[in-house]
Amino acid sequence: EAGVVQSPRYKIIEKKQPVAFWCNPISGHNTLYWYRQNLGQGPELLIRYENEEAVDDSQLPKDRFSAERLKGVDSTLKIQPAELGDSAVYLCASSFSGTNYNEQFFGPGTRLTVL
Amino acid sequence: SQQGEEDPQALSIQEGENATMNCSYKTSINNLQWYRQNSGRGLVHLILIRSNEREKHSGRLRVTLDTSKKSSSLLITASRAADTASYFCATGTGGFKTIFGAGTRLFVKA
Repeated sequence: EAGVVQSPRYKIIEKKQPVAFWCNPISGHNTLYWYRQNLGQGPELLIRYENEEAVDDSQLPKDRFSAERLKGVDSTLKIQPAELGDSAVYLCASSFSGTNYNEQFFGPGTRLTVL
Repeated sequence: SQQGEEDPQALSIQEGENATMNCSYKTSINNLQWYRQNSGRGLVHLILIRSNEREKHSGRLRVTLDTSKKSSSLLITASRAADTASYFCATGTGGFKTIFGAGTRLFVKA
């Protein structure tokens, strides 16, 4: 069974440029998460989807970040324009909300460097 | 914001020794999970303990939860070099909201 797929794995851009990350969750997982992980820190939630609905985007910097999950399967996270402080690893995770707990399966992440 | 705080921040032990990591949190939880992250990789779920459980085992892992002290510990017995990784606790509250701590970096020397 394929795990959570993310692309690209690495991205280097100059500040003020746009960037987009893509995630394909595990088949059948209706919940999808985007996290940002700074060096030496734990993941911090940016947005959580239940199917195609964003149910928690309170930590998403909406002035420059946007996300979509149009058909309730794969998802794209965009930053426009990128700032130096956006350099981090962006992790996607998915889970099945049919259980009463929340084991999340993570992708390998996209390491973003903003110059 | 991060609810869980792991202690110690870093731990270095010899292969074969036991490793203990602690996690403290601030608010009431439904469950607490531990994840492992190898360098440059995504997180892998290790074990979950529910708020009404006190101890749980999985292979060489033993997790305890003390809800009165709002703390949990992860014990890895007979550690191996392959256990070298960062370990994160994650608290689960209602509505599938999960908050991760900053992690403990474990280094097991062969």
